[in-house]
Formats: sequence, C-alpha cells, structure tokens
Amino acid sequence: QVQLVQSGSELKQPGASVKVSCKASGYTFTTYDIIWVRQAPGQGLEWMGWINTNTGKPTYAQGFTGRFVFSLDTSVSTAYLEISSLKTEDTAVYFCARDQRYYDYWGQGTLVTVSS
Amino acid sequence: DIVMTQSPDSLAVSLGERATINCQSSQSILYRTNNKNYLAWYQQKPGQPPKVLIYWGSTRESGVPERISGSGSGTDFTLTISSLQAEDVAVYYCQQYYNTPPTFGQGTKLEIK
Repeated sequence: QVQLVQSGSELKQPGASVKVSCKASGYTFTTYDIIWVRQAPGQGLEWMGWINTNTGKPTYAQGFTGRFVFSLDTSVSTAYLEISSLKTEDTAVYFCARDQRYYDYWGQGTLVTVSS
Repeated sequence: DIVMTQSPDSLAVSLGERATINCQSSQSILYRTNNKNYLAWYQQKPGQPPKVLIYWGSTRESGVPERISGSGSGTDFTLTISSLQAEDVAVYYCQQYYNTPPTFGQGTKLEIK
C-alpha cells in the first residue's frame, strides 16, 4: 500500500536549521511529484511548492524562497525539506503529499517547533 | 493567485441531518478543453493529515462514503454530507489546482449540534 512516512518532531532554536524527510513506499517514487504544505498552529493549509521527482527540480511558492530547500534521494525514495535560519514563525506542522494535481496520499506531518 | 473562499467558517448540524459547505473561487476553475473543474475537497481531523474526499469537483475518492458528494462548476462549488455521522466531525478544505500556485480555502469546521 502507498505510504509516505515523515521524520519525527523537531525542537530547534532560532537561527538553527532543520531537515524533514518524507519516505515513500508502495509505488514507483519517480512516477509522482512531491509537494510540501505548511500548517501553522490552529491555521489552514499553505502550499509551499513541489519537487519534480524525475529531474529533482524544485519550485517554490512566494514566501518560501531563500531559506527553504526541497531535495531528493531517489535511491531511497525520499524527499527532503530543509529550512535554514529558523524563525519562531516557522513553528508549524509540515506535510509532504503525493501530487496527482490533487493530493491523494499524505505524510503524517512533522511538527517543527522553533523556540529559545 | 486564485482566492478560494469557503462559507460558512463553522457549522453545527444534528446527527442524521444534511451538512452543506460552499466554496467560491475568484476565477473560473473549469478547463473547457476537457470540461473538468480543477477542484478538490479534503477532510482533516485533529492531529491527522488532510484526506482527499472529492477531486475534479465531483469524483469521489475510493473508500469515501456515498453520503459525501461534491457539486458545482466554474466558480461555485458545494460539498454535501447527506446524513451527518459522528465521524464526519472535522475541518473541510477546498483546493483549486487549475493554476499555480494551488490554493486552499480557509477551512470550514463541522461540528455536531
């Protein structure tokens, strides 16, 4: 069965970096692109961008350029989200999902807490 | 960017009654070449990721109960739960995938009256 399994919760200090993983199984990884969505505490869903799993080319939404990097390791069917220079406002749950234009399979979410 | 506006923001419905959630897009999301509406509906329960219920405006995802349906075209869409069950308590989001960036509505919280 198709699964996307994300890495566990992270507690980071402002200015640090974090790398979230999203491991896919149950399908051919390069058949579907991966998108990332942010959900701040008590808020809605915000599309961060996507990564082409064939070429590795990332596309970022406005507001997610510069400190946010999408990457892949296709040998282990895993997508990554790295956030540098963390700010308190980056505190959120980050989801990966499989892209069929709509999003049919989602990771369980990774809570990133940024606090001193 | 296409703005998706849901109404109401919250809704309380009695068990067994009908629940209706509306979603309006700031421009048409009907692609006339294939006559498809580029709209999905998701359900999110606390502590869980969103789950797709409906795509292409009215196609029910496998495993989604028949009491849940999507309708509408162009700029106005509706998610209907014909007979509310306790497990339907959640936040519901619409999302357009007609244009980049894909955008979500603000969410509608559905509760039991």
